[in-house]
Amino acid sequence: DVKVTQSSRYLVKRTGEKVFLECVQDMDHENMFWYRQDPGLGLRLIYFSYDVKMKEKGDIPEGYSVSREKKERFSLILESASTNQTSMYLCASSLGGLAGLYNEQFFGPGTRLTVL
Amino acid sequence: AQSVTQLGSHVSVSEGALVLLRCNYSSSVPPYLFWYVQYPNQGLQLLLKYTSAATLVKGINGFEAEFKKSETSFHLTKPSAHMSDAAEYFCAVTHSGYSTLTFGKGTMLLVSP
Repeated sequence: DVKVTQSSRYLVKRTGEKVFLECVQDMDHENMFWYRQDPGLGLRLIYFSYDVKMKEKGDIPEGYSVSREKKERFSLILESASTNQTSMYLCASSLGGLAGLYNEQFFGPGTRLTVL
Repeated sequence: AQSVTQLGSHVSVSEGALVLLRCNYSSSVPPYLFWYVQYPNQGLQLLLKYTSAATLVKGINGFEAEFKKSETSFHLTKPSAHMSDAAEYFCAVTHSGYSTLTFGKGTMLLVSP
């Protein structure tokens, strides 16, 4: 079974803090993704990575950065957390290249972040 | 560009009734289509996917979806709802050469006894 794990299920931070959300997958997937999920807005892509040290902006990258130093790990960083970043954050991974032709993504359980 | 529209943010059914969740897509090239389910406080789980083989796709938990190119639709159905089907359902689209999925806004399915 593909397993995608996220470092925390619930997180509470203060405005201005630097926040790290960690994601690890154990299936040797090339692609990894960070989404945020808000009621009525569905899933919105923040960043994705198709290889180690590679990253691409998604639809809403402002206020976020990412790091991928190892294939299995993809970190989302909030440089200075703000209240409008209170949300559910979901990590996902998928195969790349021809093996990942259909792009099925596997999701972690999510981190519910509250910024006070 | 590609997009997905899910009609109805909430759908209510009685236990044992037909479930129909609507998804329409827009894509300039042949699409790959997915339905995901999200139970409370969990991540998304794949229900089924269309990848240009059979137009009627069967998934887990008794769900199925039919790809209709003429209607640009990929509606999700289940003949008889169960209480455990209560969850949020997301339709997503991509195509060959793309690494990312475009998701709809989701439909919350409510099942009453």
